[in-house]
Formats: sequence, C-alpha cells, structure tokens
Amino acid sequence: DSGVTQTPKHLITATGQRVTLRCSPRSGDLSVYWYQQSLDQGLQFLIHYYNGEERAKGNILERFSAQQFPDLHSELNLSSLELGDSALYFCASSVDAGGFELGTDTQYFGPGTRLTVL
Amino acid sequence: GNSVTQMEGPVTLSEEAFLTINCTYTATGYPSLFWYVQYPGEGLQLLLKATKADDKGSNKGFEATYRKETTSFHLEKGSVQVSDSAVYFCALSVGKLIFGTGTRLQVFP
Repeated sequence: DSGVTQTPKHLITATGQRVTLRCSPRSGDLSVYWYQQSLDQGLQFLIHYYNGEERAKGNILERFSAQQFPDLHSELNLSSLELGDSALYFCASSVDAGGFELGTDTQYFGPGTRLTVL
Repeated sequence: GNSVTQMEGPVTLSEEAFLTINCTYTATGYPSLFWYVQYPGEGLQLLLKATKADDKGSNKGFEATYRKETTSFHLEKGSVQVSDSAVYFCALSVGKLIFGTGTRLQVFP
C-alpha cells in the first residue's frame, strides 16, 4: 500500500459525459501528479500540482482540467468524453519541495481509476 | 529532449533463471532513475531507484546501477520466481516522470 488513495476504482460512462476522479496523496506529500495509461500511448504525464498551485502541464487535453484543494487532495475532471479517453488514470504523490532536492522526487502511485467510455 | 528506451517484451524465462531488462535514457542534467512494476490488474509500485551516477538501487533481489557513461539503468535479478511475472517500467524524473514503454516478464515454473 503506497498510501495514495484514488476513487472510484472503476467508472463506466457514455460519450459526451463528464466525470471527476479523486486522489488523496500520502500524508505529508505536497505534490500530486496525474498520469494516463492507455494501450496506444503508454504512460503519459498529464499535470502536476504542488501545494495547491499548478506546476507543470503535459499532454493534457483542453477538455480535461484538474485542481488541488487546501487539504491537498486533487481532482481530475474529464468532460465531453470520447471513446479514446478510455484508459487507466493514475495519480502519484511526492514530497517534492519543487526544487528537485535529491531524493524528494520519488513518486508513489495510487491504484488507479479505470475509465471506460461507451 | 528527455526519453527512456526499454527492451521490447515479452521476456519469457523459466523459474530461477537470470533476468536482465535493458533501459537506456536521454536526459539533460542528471535525473533520478526508477524502476516501477505493475502486476496484473494493479497500479504501479516503486521497485527501486537511484538518484546519482554509480548509485545502485536494490529491492526484493532486483538491482539496477545508474551508469552515466552508458546512460543506462538495466534491471537485473539473479533468480526469478513465477511471482515476478509483471510489467516493468523504467522511468526518469525531471519533475514529472518520463516512462519507457514497459517490458512484460513472464516466468514459467
């Protein structure tokens, strides 16, 4: 158990819908990262939040957005869903002081949310 | 740019065989390097890491050494078990993690 929790575990929805994925980081970790794992694209970084502020964006579609709340949990919102959005969505957390101090950048992953868009 | 290249799988071995999964990277600077493992139907688990050149990460009998001169971080295990069957991902950290494509290991009794 990494200490990172994600809900829900599975999500089945229809095209055009909107869903929210939730992530709670390990106690004491200030950074939350979101990743998408799909068969064709592999593991891709989506977005990084540190202590409530967006730090970096990766291959995240405009239909997707995220936020990190004062209690440090994070939500990933996916809207206008398409069949191709079906994937495993992982969040990860790290101590990460933001300055990449040695050893603080280890990311611990949650169990993931499997999204199926029908 | 930053990238990670892993050997193609699947790697198929008999129990107690020696395992090597090759990983090479391209990076600006000196990133930390990681191996993650994904068991069937599960999330990613950190297997081992190395934060600087010549560091050796080890865990559960697996080892990998951060080689700056060859830009490699090959994963090795002296004697694999059926329970090691999983997908192994090499990754480097530049804030975000950049992953290789993953290598599926299948170990047969």
